[in-house]
Amino acid sequence: NAGVMQNPRHLVRRRGQEARLRCSPMKGHSHVYWYRQLPEEGLKFMVYLQKENIIDESGMPKERFSAEFPKEGPSILRIQQVVRGDSAAYFCASSPRTAGDNSPLHFGNGTRLTVT
Amino acid sequence: QQQVKQSPQSLIVQKGGISIINCAYENTAFDYFPWYQQFPGKGPALLIAIRPDVSEKKEGRFTISFNKSAKQFSLHIMDSQPGDSATYFCAASLSGNTPLVFGKGTRLSVIA
Repeated sequence: NAGVMQNPRHLVRRRGQEARLRCSPMKGHSHVYWYRQLPEEGLKFMVYLQKENIIDESGMPKERFSAEFPKEGPSILRIQQVVRGDSAAYFCASSPRTAGDNSPLHFGNGTRLTVT
Repeated sequence: QQQVKQSPQSLIVQKGGISIINCAYENTAFDYFPWYQQFPGKGPALLIAIRPDVSEKKEGRFTISFNKSAKQFSLHIMDSQPGDSATYFCAASLSGNTPLVFGKGTRLSVIA
């Protein structure tokens, strides 16, 4: 009964490169959320996806960031032309329905992105 | 605009003492208030949650107190243990509609 799986756990990229972060939700979960955590900061919502649909991307930066959750395979958070300010921990969470009282969020252990 | 304000930023409590973390929210439409616990190198894990139709919820040593008129809620950890040392996040949402909005977290250290 695997939980939310994120890979890689650690990712180092040079400025200008692309970062691809993967998230496999818990079995039976079709709702995926991406959050970003900066040191000494809380979790900032980025994007909410269901299979093949972006439901809410109000927290995504307008440029360089994109996310997808295809019919088959993991959800991908893609950051193009990374800059040092992108260095953070990126967490994926999943739920069987829209997150709420009867559908709590289950988080993965995150991907720690370091941009050099 | 920070919709959920959490305090204190850090907290040191003696073993056996009571840890209290407070949160205040702005959006009166929020109807789901969870607390998450995060250990270093791990993702947050749901600890306990409350809806605004009750003023208190207790699970073991963990209690949420909710004050709807003041738009505040708090986490109380009774008989705090060193194993409780972690970062705690409060959150809020309009369930079924909006994603969870998190506070900035409280780093709790329980010392023997």
